[in-house]
Amino acid sequence: AQSVTQLGSHVSVSEGALVLLRCNYSSSVPPYLFWYVQYPNQGLQLLLKYTSAATLVKGINDFEAEFKKSETSFHLTKPSAHMSDAAEYFCAVSESGTGGFKTIFGAGTRLFVKA
Amino acid sequence: DARVTQTPRHKVTEMGQEVTMRCQPILGHNTVFWYRQTMMQGLELLAYFRNRAPLDDSGMPKDRFSAEMPDATLATLKIQPSEPRDSAVYFCASGDGTRYGYTFGSGTRLTVV
Repeated sequence: AQSVTQLGSHVSVSEGALVLLRCNYSSSVPPYLFWYVQYPNQGLQLLLKYTSAATLVKGINDFEAEFKKSETSFHLTKPSAHMSDAAEYFCAVSESGTGGFKTIFGAGTRLFVKA
Repeated sequence: DARVTQTPRHKVTEMGQEVTMRCQPILGHNTVFWYRQTMMQGLELLAYFRNRAPLDDSGMPKDRFSAEMPDATLATLKIQPSEPRDSAVYFCASGDGTRYGYTFGSGTRLTVV
């Protein structure tokens, strides 16, 4: 079975600082990996996805993630944090299931942005 | 924008009552998922459907939970009887059957007292 592990349940950065949210995956086959964001009282929104086309993946709101097979990592970064980035972020992996694919989510990392 | 619609957004009910949550997937999406989110357990996959057929409901307590897709525009999740431990946010998500991610609804926040 495939899985993802998010390092750090909470991350706090200052506005304008670099955002780095860590995710490591476990997979016996080339994985499809995702980052989702959840704002308060909302559903999850897809930020970006890795589907083996390119190791550096760009998403919405200037977020990007780099797939590193040697490190089994898919960390999410943003050069400059904005107050509106405060949310919970989920790393996820697509796993082959009965008759199709299902997504397995990590535990989530809550990002706090300080003024 | 195409969206997944969930109703109701909030539900408060007494223990022992039946609860029905509804989801309208994005038109043309053939895969529907139900997730439950709690502080303790995070996001748990309860069940998923492809072309209206249930593929996997192993994450769902069978004795009280049931999920159905009466037609392509409606998915339902029922709890009967409800218990306080069922209090959570229930999300529906739909996809096109590929591995390229889903679209989530805004969730139903269920409180069982």
